[in-house]
Amino acid sequence: QVQLVQSGAEVKRPGASVKVSCKASGYTFTDYYIQWVRQAPGQGLEWMGWINPKSGATNYAQKFRGRVTMTRDTSVSTAYMELTRLTSDDTAVFYCARFFDIRGVVLSDYWGQGTLVTVSS
Amino acid sequence: EIVLTQSPGTLSLSPGERATLSCRASQTVTSAYLVWYQQKPGQAPRLLMYGTSSRATGIPDRFSGSGSGTDFTLTISRLEPEDFAVYYCQHYGTTPYTFGQGTKLEIK
Repeated sequence: QVQLVQSGAEVKRPGASVKVSCKASGYTFTDYYIQWVRQAPGQGLEWMGWINPKSGATNYAQKFRGRVTMTRDTSVSTAYMELTRLTSDDTAVFYCARFFDIRGVVLSDYWGQGTLVTVSS
Repeated sequence: EIVLTQSPGTLSLSPGERATLSCRASQTVTSAYLVWYQQKPGQAPRLLMYGTSSRATGIPDRFSGSGSGTDFTLTISRLEPEDFAVYYCQHYGTTPYTFGQGTKLEIK
């Protein structure tokens, strides 16, 4: 069965960086894009960007450019999202989700369980 | 950037009633690229609808989606207790693939 399993919760100091992993199983990792989504406590969903696991190409939301890096390691079917220069505003749950285009329709059917990143001094 | 505006922010209804949720885009969104999610507390979003009107696997037929251009609607024909949650729309047109701010469906 398809699964996206994310790394565990993190506590970071302001100014630090965090790297969240998203391990895929149950499907061919390189056949589906991965998007990353942030959700601050009690708030809505915020799109951060995507990575194409086959090519490594990325597309980041303007808000995060310069601070976010999305990578992948195809040998272990894992995508990574690193966010630098953390502030308290970055305290949030981060989700990975696969998405794909089928006959011109795009959908995102499987999501990771989420990783809580807390930024606090 | 396409801005998605959902209304109402909160919808208070009783089980058995009909729910109508709106998602309005700041510019035209191709119908193939509009999706809806349901999110319950402490859980990841769950795909409900894709391509505006196609139900995802396992989604009951009381859920339906419609719309085109800039106006899209999610309808729940008869609310069940498990339907009370937050609902988000998202588009996959041009990046950024923004989300609406969500509609909270609460029990009246």
